[in-house]
Amino acid sequence: QQQVKQSPQSLIVQKGGISIINCAYENTAFDYFPWYQQFPGKGPALLIAIRPDVSEKKEGRFTISFNKSAKQFSLHIMDSQPGDSATYFCAATFETSGSRLTFGEGTQLTVNP
Amino acid sequence: EAGVAQSPRYKIIEKRQSVAFWCNPISGHATLYWYQQILGQGPKLLIQFQNNGVVDDSQLPKDRFSAERLKGVDSTLKIQPAKLEDSAVYLCASSRGTSGEKLFFGSGTQLSVL
Repeated sequence: QQQVKQSPQSLIVQKGGISIINCAYENTAFDYFPWYQQFPGKGPALLIAIRPDVSEKKEGRFTISFNKSAKQFSLHIMDSQPGDSATYFCAATFETSGSRLTFGEGTQLTVNP
Repeated sequence: EAGVAQSPRYKIIEKRQSVAFWCNPISGHATLYWYQQILGQGPKLLIQFQNNGVVDDSQLPKDRFSAERLKGVDSTLKIQPAKLEDSAVYLCASSRGTSGEKLFFGSGTQLSVL
């Protein structure tokens, strides 16, 4: 069952541009929404996360926007850099799951110099 | 702090053979997860342990996959017999265990079934 849908599948941006990745979820019990970054040959690593009681969270160049009524959330990468080139996964979990994550399908981001 | 350790890094086997993967989580992390990541897809949970007990194994193909967590620390995941569709990266992750906690992932074991 696909509970977290992610788009686009791939994204190419120029250095300095804004990268935007979108996710939609189905299960209203989800209450924690992290984004993970994965480089080739490595496991995913937590980038930033949000809870549904806020609409936006910013950490450096990375911002999560959250729309509870639409059951959607997105990752914005400002001033994208070539070092940001990686695969990004949105995920969701709920309190009683003990941090068990349901991942989206991933977005392969390429930032051209 | 040391990260999640996994071995081997790569494994190539023929279909119907058996294979085992090993994971050593971060010290003190009560919860351990095994995820399967097929090329081009997001990780999919196979099994979740809390200490040495199974919390969720609903997506584990139990006719061929088995997992155990010894003394609530290290864990092994076994596939017997392997099928072509088992070709994937097997990721181990750990967390302190409470909700909303950061998961720490190992680099995974890349399995190719020929």
